[in-house]
Amino acid sequence: DAGVIQSPRHEVTEMGQEVTLRCKPISGHDYLFWYRQTMMRGLELLIYFNNNVPIDDSGMPEDRFSAKMPNASFSTLKIQPSEPRDSAVYFCASSLFSYAQAASGETQYFGPGTRLLVL
Amino acid sequence: KQEVTQIPAALSVPEGENLVLNCSFTDSAIYNLQWFRQDPGKGLTSLLLIQSSQREQTSGRLNASLDKSSGRSTLYIAASQPGDSATYLCAVSLRNTDKLIFGTGTRLQVFP
Repeated sequence: DAGVIQSPRHEVTEMGQEVTLRCKPISGHDYLFWYRQTMMRGLELLIYFNNNVPIDDSGMPEDRFSAKMPNASFSTLKIQPSEPRDSAVYFCASSLFSYAQAASGETQYFGPGTRLLVL
Repeated sequence: KQEVTQIPAALSVPEGENLVLNCSFTDSAIYNLQWFRQDPGKGLTSLLLIQSSQREQTSGRLNASLDKSSGRSTLYIAASQPGDSATYLCAVSLRNTDKLIFGTGTRLQVFP
């Protein structure tokens, strides 16, 4: 398997523009997670899906952020309008089981990330 | 609110040394604790996962221990190599959710 695929790998945009980040999870994985990593706040969970349904979006910073998962093989994270403080690395991860179910200790598999710079 | 802290924040050692990285968490109600490695410009790779009922896990030169009652975990790296240079993150999974709470990370540099 190619692993979790994210695009673009790098994005530079101007404040106020719409940004769309894309993720293709590992085939067969039922869980998909979006994280944001910054120097100040570390790695934070933004939202996660189970079987394409958003389960917990309490980490989404504000209404400018939205995430969708129209099917099992694709998810998007959108920022509209973007602001300089949104500059970060955004990671997507997927897993086969939830931690509650995974007696064997199934882990999350991370994509390479999208480095976003908002000027 | 679960908080995860790692010390030291950075570590630079010569090749061959045995290392101990520390992770502490404030809420012992966890499913498991996991150690990840992150290389510059790349995603995270899982190294070891310790279930809440376990005390330790080993993989090659890596050994991770968990003391849930005291809210602590250590990652032991034996005979460190330059290829071990990376940032190491610990993360705990919260009970009744599928969330991972990550620590602040330890940036390790092993020089020849």
